[in-house]
Amino acid sequence: DAKTTQPNSMESNEEEPVHLPCNHSTISGTDYIHWYRQLPSQGPEYVIHGLTSNVNNRMASLAIAEDRKSSTLILHRATLRDAAVYYCIPTRNQFYFGTGTSLTVIP
Amino acid sequence: DADVTQTPRNRITKTGKRIMLECSQTKGHDRMYWYRQDPGLGLRLIYYSFDVKDINKGEISDGYSVSRQAQAKFSLSLESAIPNQTALYFCATSDPAGRYNEQFFGPGTRLTVL
Repeated sequence: DAKTTQPNSMESNEEEPVHLPCNHSTISGTDYIHWYRQLPSQGPEYVIHGLTSNVNNRMASLAIAEDRKSSTLILHRATLRDAAVYYCIPTRNQFYFGTGTSLTVIP
Repeated sequence: DADVTQTPRNRITKTGKRIMLECSQTKGHDRMYWYRQDPGLGLRLIYYSFDVKDINKGEISDGYSVSRQAQAKFSLSLESAIPNQTALYFCATSDPAGRYNEQFFGPGTRLTVL
């Protein structure tokens, strides 16, 4: 069971970068790291995933540590619409969303 | 139109009543899931189905049953609702052959059991 640890909450000012950390020290070599977010009153939505290399898409960037024991989701310019709960999930735990990190964006 | 729909969106019922929550998807995915979300506890998996003939219990299946009527439909039933089943329920789908193997969630059903 690859457990993850995320801070319960974080704050960011609008238009500033946000780095959301996740520790997954027991992850296996074949597990991807998936990130989802859940906007208020909505179901979770996929954000990004990666295995070893850093990944970018239109929503965010994912930086994965060389030893793969941690990763960081990067929102380059936080907007009010990014206020959500962010979940970090290894592939083998893809059905276990935990409590994630609640991101507050301050105008 | 939404790819994953859930009905009803809100439901208030009484203890002991039988309740069915329905989920439909137009994504053509074989895999479907039911989760419940309680404040402070995150999402927990109730049941999942990898195809029409496959049903599996999740982390918290007691008190629930499911039916996979077709590839596109997956229903969750509470045979005799109790107050601690008050929660937000989400249906999700996925395609393991998809590019990202991500899950797609419906908008949720808020269930209150009095």
